[in-house]
Amino acid sequence: DSGVTQTPKHLITATGQRVTLRCSPRSGDLSVYWYQQSLDQGLQFLIQYYNGEERAKGNILERFSAQQFPDLHSELNLSSLELGDSALYFCASSPASSSYNEQFFGPGTRLTVL
Amino acid sequence: AQSVSQHNHHVILSEAASLELGCNYSYGGTVNLFWYVQYPGQHLQLLLKYFSGDPLVKGIKGFEAEFIKSKFSFNLRKPSVQWSDTAEYFCAVKGGATNKLIFGTGTLLAVQP
Repeated sequence: DSGVTQTPKHLITATGQRVTLRCSPRSGDLSVYWYQQSLDQGLQFLIQYYNGEERAKGNILERFSAQQFPDLHSELNLSSLELGDSALYFCASSPASSSYNEQFFGPGTRLTVL
Repeated sequence: AQSVSQHNHHVILSEAASLELGCNYSYGGTVNLFWYVQYPGQHLQLLLKYFSGDPLVKGIKGFEAEFIKSKFSFNLRKPSVQWSDTAEYFCAVKGGATNKLIFGTGTLLAVQP
């Protein structure tokens, strides 16, 4: 158990819908990262937040957005869902004091778009 | 742009065989390198990491990796695999100003008892 929690574990929805994935980082970690793991794209970095502010952006679609709240949990919002958005979405967190960026991953949310 | 290549997509070994998984990265500056493992149905776990110093890095569960700067490589090794090592292994690199990890495509290792 990494200490990073993600809910829900599984999500099944239809095309065109909107979903919200939730992540709680390890206690004390200020950085939260979102990754998408799919069969065709592999593991791709989406976005990073640090203490409530967006820090880095990767291959995140405009239909996707994220935020980090004052209690440091983060939400990834996926809208106008397409079949190709079906994937495993991982959240990771890293210690604030570490410049080495060891990231601890959550169990993931498996999104299926039908 | 940074990238990571893992040459072996699927590896099948018998128990007690030695393992070496290749990882090459492209980035001209200072890098931090990682190997993560994903057991079936589980989350990614850090096996080992390299930041600086001794290029031979020891990780958990008997794994080690060697950073060879001249070859831009960070190969993962284990002298004797066990059935419980069956998993997917990801090499990752962090370089430059951002903290994002760039992952390789992963290597699926199946160890036969």
